[in-house]
Amino acid sequence: GDSVTQTEGQVTVSESKSLIINCTYSATSIGYPNLFWYVRYPGEGLQLLLKVITAGQKGSSRGFEATYNKEATSFHLQKASVQESDSAVYYCALSEGDSNYQLIWGSGTKLIIKP
Amino acid sequence: DMKVTQMPRYLIKRMGENVLLECGQDMSHETMYWYRQDPGLGLQLIYISYDVDSNSEGDIPKGYRVSRKKREHFSLILDSAKTNQTSVYFCASSLWGGRAEVFFGKGTRLTVV
Repeated sequence: GDSVTQTEGQVTVSESKSLIINCTYSATSIGYPNLFWYVRYPGEGLQLLLKVITAGQKGSSRGFEATYNKEATSFHLQKASVQESDSAVYYCALSEGDSNYQLIWGSGTKLIIKP
Repeated sequence: DMKVTQMPRYLIKRMGENVLLECGQDMSHETMYWYRQDPGLGLQLIYISYDVDSNSEGDIPKGYRVSRKKREHFSLILDSAKTNQTSVYFCASSLWGGRAEVFFGKGTRLTVV
């Protein structure tokens, strides 16, 4: 079946430094899944950060970027300069096509920002 | 205001008791979901509802049932709760389609003792 892997359970980055959170996927049923990053800020529900549905394209939001790399089956999340307000748990997810509603989730990466 | 509201936020139940988790959304979304999340794991889909009285099992439906009698309201029921159902439960909603943004509630932390 499909799967999403986030290898780091927790990442610590100093404020104003760059960030990368790794996400790789396996989509056995369809070669071109839809890819998402969701974020949970403390005390809040999960919310969509960005999505990309076309291989090779880049999505961006709130200073974060992720590129849909079909060859590497990756969708890493990057930010050039993190702020304390970015402290949250980030989840990578995929869905298949437009008719399958089920999202397959990674286990999440907690981002801690050091002042 | 686009919102998914879950009640209660925290709940402690004894093993064997029945549990009702309630969820509402104000966006008229056709599709609603119940997920659970355990430490170190991603969200696992329990049930999905495509509209009123149109519900389908997700990956882990055993021990759960759902009810959707109004589009804006989706309930999760645990008949005779078990200790291994201790978890955080999330309700969500979306428009039609696998590319649609999913909106989540803040979760209900259920402890079964």
